[in-house]
Amino acid sequence: NAGVTQTPKFQVLKTGQSMTLQCAQDMNHEYMSWYRQDPGMGLRLIHYSVGAGITDQGEVPNGYNVSRSTTEDFPLRLLSAAPSQTSVYFCASSPDRGGANVLTFGAGSRLTVL
Amino acid sequence: EDQVTQSPEALRLQEGESSSLNCSYTVSGLRGLFWYRQDPGKGPEFLFTLYSAGEEKEKERLKATLTKKESFLHITAPKPEDSATYLCAVQDLYFQGAQKLVFGQGTRLTINP
Repeated sequence: NAGVTQTPKFQVLKTGQSMTLQCAQDMNHEYMSWYRQDPGMGLRLIHYSVGAGITDQGEVPNGYNVSRSTTEDFPLRLLSAAPSQTSVYFCASSPDRGGANVLTFGAGSRLTVL
Repeated sequence: EDQVTQSPEALRLQEGESSSLNCSYTVSGLRGLFWYRQDPGKGPEFLFTLYSAGEEKEKERLKATLTKKESFLHITAPKPEDSATYLCAVQDLYFQGAQKLVFGQGTRLTINP
């Protein structure tokens, strides 16, 4: 059971380039989310999805797009990368949209924007 | 606005030296308080969920407790393998439709042999 798989693990971009961070889960979880982790700031929610075809913004959505065409996949797109988007990105999923369900995290994708 | 503050930012202990990590929180209504462990270069791993004041949960050398304003993660006789960053997060009872967790900045724990 792979859990939550993120690719790539490391990426370097130049300012203005675009890219997609991939996230896939094999646990049939309804809820999926993207967080970014910056030193001293904790994990902050970027976007989330409560099921296929449904997405919504989190705390820091600017500069990022998401879509959820299947239950398994939840890609995060950077439209025009900026140095402020240098961070470690985590995808997480949980079984239900309600209740205090536990999040399962991926291993992270470290992005550097020059 | 929901807030979580963890202290200290970093803690260095000798093997066997017990201590506690603090998580202070402000939330409209608490659906759950979570503790996660994060090793360098990896994603957070779930440890505990606490739901109401007075609740306690234990796992090996770790015990988590909860009051109406704080949670503590007590570490008894720690070993070097307990070295990690410990994250606290709260879920608001009144947020409809999804599980938005608000995380603290974490406590980086180092256990020296």
